[in-house]
Amino acid sequence: TQLLEQSPQFLSIQEGENLTVYCNSSSVFSSLQWYRQEPGEGPVLLVTVVTGGEVKKLKRLTFQFGDARKDSSLHITAAQPGDTGLYLCAGASNNNDMRFGAGTRLTVKP
Amino acid sequence: DTGVSQNPRHKITKRGQNVTFRCDPISEHNRLYWYRQTLGQGPEFLTYFQNEAQLEKSRLLSDRFSAERPKGSFSTLEIQRTEQGDSAMYLCASSLGDLSGNTIYFGEGSWLTVV
Repeated sequence: TQLLEQSPQFLSIQEGENLTVYCNSSSVFSSLQWYRQEPGEGPVLLVTVVTGGEVKKLKRLTFQFGDARKDSSLHITAAQPGDTGLYLCAGASNNNDMRFGAGTRLTVKP
Repeated sequence: DTGVSQNPRHKITKRGQNVTFRCDPISEHNRLYWYRQTLGQGPEFLTYFQNEAQLEKSRLLSDRFSAERPKGSFSTLEIQRTEQGDSAMYLCASSLGDLSGNTIYFGEGSWLTVV
């Protein structure tokens, strides 16, 4: 079982739509990261959130860390085909290793 | 800085053979991590090193798996007597220090197919 639960597992939308993906856990994390992964490649870091309630924006992507530091969300505005990929959240609970969710596979159709 | 480098990128091997993967972390990063990722799953933690010391091993790391980082720089992950269930992407990552305030950076992975 995954320490971090991501939802939805799959998401297929049209270009221009908005979407939100979620990352939930019963554990408290000292930091949480969001990654995007292309097929056959390693995960690429998008953002790190550290403080409960923190909101970070990266162009059309908005990341939020829950107040209790147990959950996070990623919102994409006006999705584009280039946003297609596997979005992974990962949490560091003991500062020594990072545990990943199973990911949300996003497809944005032109 | 060339980032985390892994090789080979792809390896096809027959069941029962041994394979070895190499990881070169970002220079000056004292922590190095190995993860395994199968289709449809996120990366699963295998082990990590601080300098040359292997400080934690997951129960996923069976006796057939061994990782080393002899000089605190590059690392190798060896799988002995490979099984079909070992087919996965093996990811290496590194960080400047512990994860309380440092970012972990991943390599592009080494794909293993056991036939």
